[in-house]
Amino acid sequence: DARVTQTPRHKVTEMGQEVTMRCQPILGHNTVFWYRQTMMQGLELLAYFRNRAPLDDSGMPKDRFSAEMPDATLATLKIQPSEPRDSAVYFCASGLALDSQDQSYEQYFGPGTRLTVT
Amino acid sequence: ILNVEQSPQSLHVQEGDSTNFTCSFPSSNFYALHWYRWETAKSPEALFVMTLNGDEKKKGRISATLNTKEGYSYLYIKGSQPEDSATYLCAQRGSQGNLIFGKGTKLSVKP
Repeated sequence: DARVTQTPRHKVTEMGQEVTMRCQPILGHNTVFWYRQTMMQGLELLAYFRNRAPLDDSGMPKDRFSAEMPDATLATLKIQPSEPRDSAVYFCASGLALDSQDQSYEQYFGPGTRLTVT
Repeated sequence: ILNVEQSPQSLHVQEGDSTNFTCSFPSSNFYALHWYRWETAKSPEALFVMTLNGDEKKKGRISATLNTKEGYSYLYIKGSQPEDSATYLCAQRGSQGNLIFGKGTKLSVKP
């Protein structure tokens, strides 16, 4: 049963600390998305990759957030330094786009990382 | 900028009732519409992807329709059960493949 996995599932940290969240997409999927869930905004897109290349990270505060895909089986989202307003659940999702025009593929979500910054 | 709206925000029904909710979206530059079911403390679960005007999809007691010309989609649940209680999200696909989500409709089904 192929699933997107995320680690850690929960993270509590102090303001100013670095936080790294990891995502393992479903094997063979070529698109990876990072979303953040907050009470105010709901689910909002932070960044996404196709074939490991970043396509859009305009939803991400670039002064403190960075997203990378070191290889096809790992995506990371890093916050440095973290702030209390970063507290949220961060979801990773992956999908298989048949080509650059494919718009009908499913995105499969991981279980999320619940981040609390005190 | 795409703006996806869902209504109602929340819904309480009795077991056995049929129900439906609405997702509205900008009709220009339409690519695809997704419906997800999201239970508390779990991750969103894909229900449907629809791409063509007039599309109708069905999975068990849940079905969805799509009108891309007027910019809306309906999700129907026939004979609601307590296990249908969840937040139902719709999302429109942006030009780069990203999803723009609505805020969801939270459904509670009382036994």
